Amino acid sequence: RKEVEQDPGPFNVPEGATVAFNCTYSNSASQSFFWYRQDCRKEPKLLMSVYSSGNEDGRFTAQLNRASQYISLLIRDSKLSDSATYLCVVVYTNFNKFYFGSGTKLNVKP
Amino acid sequence: DAGVIQSPRHEVTEMGQEVTLRCKPISGHNSLFWYRQTMMRGLELLIYFNNNVPIDDSGMPEDRFSAKMPNASFSTLKIQPSEPRDSAVYFCASSGTSGRAYTQYFGPGTRLTVL
Repeated sequence: RKEVEQDPGPFNVPEGATVAFNCTYSNSASQSFFWYRQDCRKEPKLLMSVYSSGNEDGRFTAQLNRASQYISLLIRDSKLSDSATYLCVVVYTNFNKFYFGSGTKLNVKP
Repeated sequence: DAGVIQSPRHEVTEMGQEVTLRCKPISGHNSLFWYRQTMMRGLELLIYFNNNVPIDDSGMPEDRFSAKMPNASFSTLKIQPSEPRDSAVYFCASSGTSGRAYTQYFGPGTRLTVL
């Protein structure tokens, strides 16, 4: 079983839509979580950290559910520029282990 | 501020040749990571250095791959001999020790093609 799993998509949504992705992780010892964004043929870039209480950054909301071992990313009012692949990252701090999910592709259509 | 610098950006070589990829992390960062990304396997962590010392090399595919970090500002990933299945984008990333210690900043990648 993979340490981190994501639905590869693609998620095809119209502009203005709300879309949500989940990312499940297998080890309850995980301690830090992040969402990265990767544009086609570019490097991954940090989108936002995920805090235990949930956090919001503009149109983006990240949440952590430790009981069910998943993190989520919600994008409201989707823009064409949101089209990208979204990667989740799980860090097991005590073991210096970092795991990237394989990514969820989002296509926002006009 | 300069980000993570990688060179070359593109490399085309023939099977059997030695390939050396280079990385300069962000100044002040003490962790450095080498990743490989392909369509089939996604982003895979190859090796991770902390304070120039290799901490986890369990992702290095085989003995043909080796990585070094002789000082805090430079790292290399070497493939010898290269094979067509090594074709991928190789990313270097670094992270620091402040509050966002585990935020990784990626370089632009080296796109390797082995013919």
